[in-house]
Amino acid sequence: DAEITQSPRHKITETGRQVTLACHQTWNHNNMFWYRQDLGHGLRLIHYSYGVQDTNKGEVSDGYSVSRSNTEDLPLTLESAASSQTSVYFCASSESMNTEAFFGQGTRLTVV
Amino acid sequence: AQTVTQSQPEMSVQEAETVTLSCTYDTSENNYYLFWYKQPPSRQMILVIRQEAYKQQNATENRFSVNFQKAAKSFSLKISDSQLGDTAMYFCAFMKGNFGNEKLTFGTGTRLTIIP
Repeated sequence: DAEITQSPRHKITETGRQVTLACHQTWNHNNMFWYRQDLGHGLRLIHYSYGVQDTNKGEVSDGYSVSRSNTEDLPLTLESAASSQTSVYFCASSESMNTEAFFGQGTRLTVV
Repeated sequence: AQTVTQSQPEMSVQEAETVTLSCTYDTSENNYYLFWYKQPPSRQMILVIRQEAYKQQNATENRFSVNFQKAAKSFSLKISDSQLGDTAMYFCAFMKGNFGNEKLTFGTGTRLTIIP
C-alpha cells in the first residue's frame, strides 16, 4: 500500500546543530508540505513544494529549508537548531485540491 | 490571508450524546474547501469530513456532519452518538479552491473528551 513516512519519530538535538527530518511518500503525489504543531497554534505551514525543484516558504519558514530533488522526498533541514524549534513536525502530501491530503506520523523534535 | 478560528479549546461530553464543535473562518475567496481533521493520541492526522464551498448541501459521513453557513463563514462539526474512540483533538482547516494553492490553514484545535 502507498504511504507517507517520516523519520525519525523522535529526536533530541543540541542548540546550534543542523538537523534534517526525512519525509518519504510512495503516493507519487506532486504536492508535499511540512507543518509544525504547537500547543495553542494548531498546525502551521513551514515549507511546501508542488513538484520537483519547486519549493515555497510558508508562514513560519525562518530557520528552515527544504529541497525537492525527486517526487518521493521532501527533507526538512533546521540550519542551526534553536529551542524555539522544539515541536512536533508533520509532513503531508496530496495529489490535488480534489483529493485528500495524507499525513505522516509526525516527528517530535526536542532542542536542548 | 485566510484565518481559521476555533473558540473552544476543550470540550467534554457523555458517551452516546451529541456534541458540536465550532469553527469560523475569514477569507475573501469565493471558491474554497473546508475540512475537519481528527488527531487521536496516536498523533495521526485523520480526515473526518470535507466540504466544498460551492455545494450548498452539508457534508455527512456516518455519525459526523457539518453545518456550513457560507455567509456567516461558519463551519461546525456535529458528532452524533459519540463514542469513546472519538476522544481526540479536532482541527478545522481551510484550503483555497484553485490549483496551485493546495496548502491548508488550520485552526488551533479543540480537545474533545468522551466520558464513559
